[in-house]
Amino acid sequence: DADVTQTPRNRITKTGKRIMLECSQTKGHDRMYWYRQDPGLGLRLIYYSFDVKDINKGEISDGYSVSRQAQAKFSLSLESAIPNQTALYFCATSDSTTRENQPQHFGDGTRLSIL
Amino acid sequence: AQKITQTQPGMFVQEKEAVTLDCTYDTSDPSYGLFWYKQPSSGEMIFLIYQGSYDQQNATEGRYSLNFQKARKSANLVISASQLGDSAMYFCAMRGRGAQKLVFGQGTRLTINP
Repeated sequence: DADVTQTPRNRITKTGKRIMLECSQTKGHDRMYWYRQDPGLGLRLIYYSFDVKDINKGEISDGYSVSRQAQAKFSLSLESAIPNQTALYFCATSDSTTRENQPQHFGDGTRLSIL
Repeated sequence: AQKITQTQPGMFVQEKEAVTLDCTYDTSDPSYGLFWYKQPSSGEMIFLIYQGSYDQQNATEGRYSLNFQKARKSANLVISASQLGDSAMYFCAMRGRGAQKLVFGQGTRLTINP
């Protein structure tokens, strides 16, 4: 079983719909992240959370919200989806340390298409 | 602010040859980490190798090594004896001390030809 699991893997929906992407992890990490990947732009951070009571905006949080339901679960919501939110979305986790050598561990991604 | 630049949008290499993927970075942090990730066509992000700014030696992990030149602010990934399965997107990323996120480059698409 994957350490970081994202559901769904693929989703096609219509403009204006509310969408929730879910992420769960078995790595026991405190820190969780949501990234968005667009062609030619690499990955950009949407939101991150250091624990259940800590939620922080990343560089592109507008149009998104998150919920940290438990240490192992971090969900991303698009309240009213728009076509330019079509992208590949990644959840990631890392150990609770400020040391710069800790990699982030990624889920397999969710391909979201908004028509 | 931190920035990663990968200047090679695409690379084509013959199987079994070595390949170097370029990465330059910019940061004012005295302590930072550099990472390389592989993204195959299936989409997942796979952590390959890490280099710390204070590490005296270049990092190595199997066929992957990192050519770290701190003065030039470069952290190039070297893949020895390339294989068809190495065909993928490769991302360079960095994280400063205490930083909350990884900053990614735009990626290099590597294609290994048989």
